[in-house]
Amino acid sequence: KNEVEQSPQNLTAQEGEFITINCSYSVGISALHWLQQHPGGGIVSLFMLSSGKKKHGRLIATINIQEKHSSLHITASHPRDSAVYICAVGLIQGAQKLVFGQGTRLTINP
Amino acid sequence: KAGVTQTPRYLIKTRGQQVTLSCSPISGHRSVSWYQQTPGQGLQFLFEYFSETQRNKGNFPGRFSGRQFSNSRSEMNVSTLELGDSALYLCASSRDGANYGYTFGSGTRLTVV
Repeated sequence: KNEVEQSPQNLTAQEGEFITINCSYSVGISALHWLQQHPGGGIVSLFMLSSGKKKHGRLIATINIQEKHSSLHITASHPRDSAVYICAVGLIQGAQKLVFGQGTRLTINP
Repeated sequence: KAGVTQTPRYLIKTRGQQVTLSCSPISGHRSVSWYQQTPGQGLQFLFEYFSETQRNKGNFPGRFSGRQFSNSRSEMNVSTLELGDSALYLCASSRDGANYGYTFGSGTRLTVV
């Protein structure tokens, strides 16, 4: 079983819809990261969370440390939000490294 | 401020050759970590350098190595290339690793033929 699990793996929605992507993890973490990857490969860091909730524009990220669960929400989705969204965790023990979920491919149709 | 710069962007190599990839971090960032991304395995951690020392290493064979220079620039080297090494190689810089947030480069896409 992967240490970081994302759902859904693929998501297609219409422009304007409210989007939720979920991430569950099974290890102790120091922080959780949400990343965005567009075709072509470059990765953009959206959020780093260790507790609570963060908001940036139309994006909202929440984390529940007790339940080991995080969600990424996109309000008023737009075709330019189409990308792969990746959840990654920094481990609380030892290694200064990220462990990644498998990613969620989001497609927003106009 | 300048982002994380990876060079080259694209590379085609033949099996058995070796390759060196470069990563220049954001000024002031002392941690550089490297990741391999393949369609089958997703993103996997290769290694992390901090102040010229390898601080962490992932589960990759010894053909994968790296180093970091005094200006925090980092290189990774893959020797005796195999077809399965074809991947997008990403580096990320940070002030000090997983607790401080990362900035990723655009990656180097390596194709081994």
